[in-house]
Amino acid sequence: GNSVTQMEGPVTLSEEAFLTINCTYTATGYPSLFWYVQYPGEGLQLLLKATKADDKGSNKGFEATYRKETTSFHLEKGSVQVSDSAVYFCALSDRRDDKIIFGKGTRLHILP
Amino acid sequence: EAGVAQSPRYKIIEKRQSVAFWCNPISGHATLYWYQQILGQGPKLLIQFQNNGVVDDSQLPKDRFSAERLKGVDSTLKIQPAKLEDSAVYLCASSLLGGGKGEQYFGPGTRLTVT
Repeated sequence: GNSVTQMEGPVTLSEEAFLTINCTYTATGYPSLFWYVQYPGEGLQLLLKATKADDKGSNKGFEATYRKETTSFHLEKGSVQVSDSAVYFCALSDRRDDKIIFGKGTRLHILP
Repeated sequence: EAGVAQSPRYKIIEKRQSVAFWCNPISGHATLYWYQQILGQGPKLLIQFQNNGVVDDSQLPKDRFSAERLKGVDSTLKIQPAKLEDSAVYLCASSLLGGGKGEQYFGPGTRLTVT
């Protein structure tokens, strides 16, 4: 079945550091891929998405590229801020059945 | 535009008691989802409604969980009787489009503690 694997946290970085959170997936067919973010005390928010191979999703300085050959969708940001501290979830949606499968989440702490 | 509303935000009950959660989706969103998020894990889909019909409830523990969506708008999720392992955050989400477009909008969740 479909699944998502992302790096375990917590990840702790200093402000302005470069961020990478790894995500790989297993899916039949051609899923859409997403990164959701959950700030403390809030619900999940869609951060970015990509719907086909080689697409790059971007938002708020974050980027992720849909790599079909490596079945990956790694999240990157060039210079993180304290306000980026949150839990990040990689997810996929199999368009055949309209379900979203989430990874376990990676908690990110940014130190000032 | 108002977001997805959920209540209560927090609930503490003893095992074997019953509890209900309420969700009001974004206006006009036909699809509504209930997820269970256990601490340290990603959300797991419990049930999906399209208007007031159930699309998928394959992961809903039907011996104790029930959900309804009257008139295709608000929804309630009930647990009766609750077990310790039901302690989790229950998230409601809604979307305008189906077909795996994936743009679901989430409410703040209800944190349930079963003692």
